[in-house]
Amino acid sequence: AQKVTQAQTEISVVEKEDVTLDCVYETRDTTYYLFWYKQPPSGELVFLIRRNSFDEQNEISGRYSWNFQKSTSSFNFTITASQVVDSAVYFCALSETNTGFQKLVFGTGTRLLVSP
Amino acid sequence: NAGVMQNPRHLVRRRGQEARLRCSPMKGHSHVYWYRQLPEEGLKFMVYLQKENIIDESGMPKERFSAEFPKEGPSILRIQQVVRGDSAAYFCASSPYRQGKGTEAFFGQGTRLTVV
Repeated sequence: AQKVTQAQTEISVVEKEDVTLDCVYETRDTTYYLFWYKQPPSGELVFLIRRNSFDEQNEISGRYSWNFQKSTSSFNFTITASQVVDSAVYFCALSETNTGFQKLVFGTGTRLLVSP
Repeated sequence: NAGVMQNPRHLVRRRGQEARLRCSPMKGHSHVYWYRQLPEEGLKFMVYLQKENIIDESGMPKERFSAEFPKEGPSILRIQQVVRGDSAAYFCASSPYRQGKGTEAFFGQGTRLTVV
């Protein structure tokens, strides 16, 4: 069965600090997708990234970067020089291609608090 | 191009009433997914529908919950005889394909159901 674990329930940092959110997943499928979503206090889900299991290249988008390591089944998310607007709950999610692209298994989320 | 539209954004129901949640997928999308987010938890898959068909309802509670996606009009998630435990945020996502072909996973803004 698929499972996503986000062991960090809540992280507090001061603005401009770097912060890494951990995500560990379990799946028996060899082809799967991993996602990160942001849920700000307003409640909507904001898509951040999708990564397929065949692409282990790390990705950087502005202050955001993602480290995908198949060997440890991890897909960690780093925010560099954090800002107050980064305060949100962040969810990691997994889908297996044979269950349909949008059938996602979510972790329980990590609440990030960035203080000025 | 409007995103996934959900209404209402907030819904209050008394115990025993019915709740109807609507989801209009993105233009051109014929696949809809419903998720539920209980307070302080991650999202959990409920049901996957294609136009006029339920493809996967493995996450739906056996009683009181039903979903449809008619040929015309939005997808409807119906909860009959609501109880306090149904209080949650309900999110809808849509996609044009069953299997991912470069599509991103976009969610609506959610409907927050409160049962009093």
